[in-house]
Amino acid sequence: QKEVEQDPGPLSVPEGAIVSLNCTYSNSAFQYFMWYRQYSRKGPELLMYTYSSGNKEDGRFTAQVDKSSKYISLFIRDSQPSDSATYLCAMSGSRGSQGNLIFGKGTKLSVKP
Amino acid sequence: DGGITQSPKYLFRKEGQNVTLSCEQNLNHDAMYWYRQDPGQGLRLIYYSQIVNDFQKGDIAEGYSVSREKKESFPLTVTSAQKNPTAFYLCASGRLAGGLYEQYFGPGTRLTVT
Repeated sequence: QKEVEQDPGPLSVPEGAIVSLNCTYSNSAFQYFMWYRQYSRKGPELLMYTYSSGNKEDGRFTAQVDKSSKYISLFIRDSQPSDSATYLCAMSGSRGSQGNLIFGKGTKLSVKP
Repeated sequence: DGGITQSPKYLFRKEGQNVTLSCEQNLNHDAMYWYRQDPGQGLRLIYYSQIVNDFQKGDIAEGYSVSREKKESFPLTVTSAQKNPTAFYLCASGRLAGGLYEQYFGPGTRLTVT
């Protein structure tokens, strides 16, 4: 079983839809959970991260972590064509760790006008 | 204009040649990283460095070498020993914030070896 699993998609939605992107993981030592957005042929951009369980909201984006299920989600409300990108989840170990991230393979999202 | 720069954007080399990819950052971050991204495989860590003159192997270090002589610079050499060098290479710098190394990525270098 891979440490981090992420459905590669592609996921296609109409403009204005609510998008749900998910990752599952197997390592219970993960404490930090990140979401990156990567446009085609560009470097990933850090969107947001959460520590341990709970929710975090930033504008149209909400990150959710359920450590009991080893499941994390990113919700995008009122999706826009500019949200079309590949979304990568990433995870890191305990506080003060070396900072090495374990990435999912990414989900490709397309928002149609 | 702060950020991470990688050059060149596209690089072509013949098999058997070593090639060095540049990565520079002016964010004053202590940590720097090199990743490789292949279609359908996500990002894989090649090397990382948390202080000048020190670096550690990541998951796929074979066939690669790095140096960290300056805080701002972390060049990656892809040697002829790397069996499948064609890939998209991403450099990142990291700062410690709240116990987490927040990693910020450069624009990447696409290397093609024929």
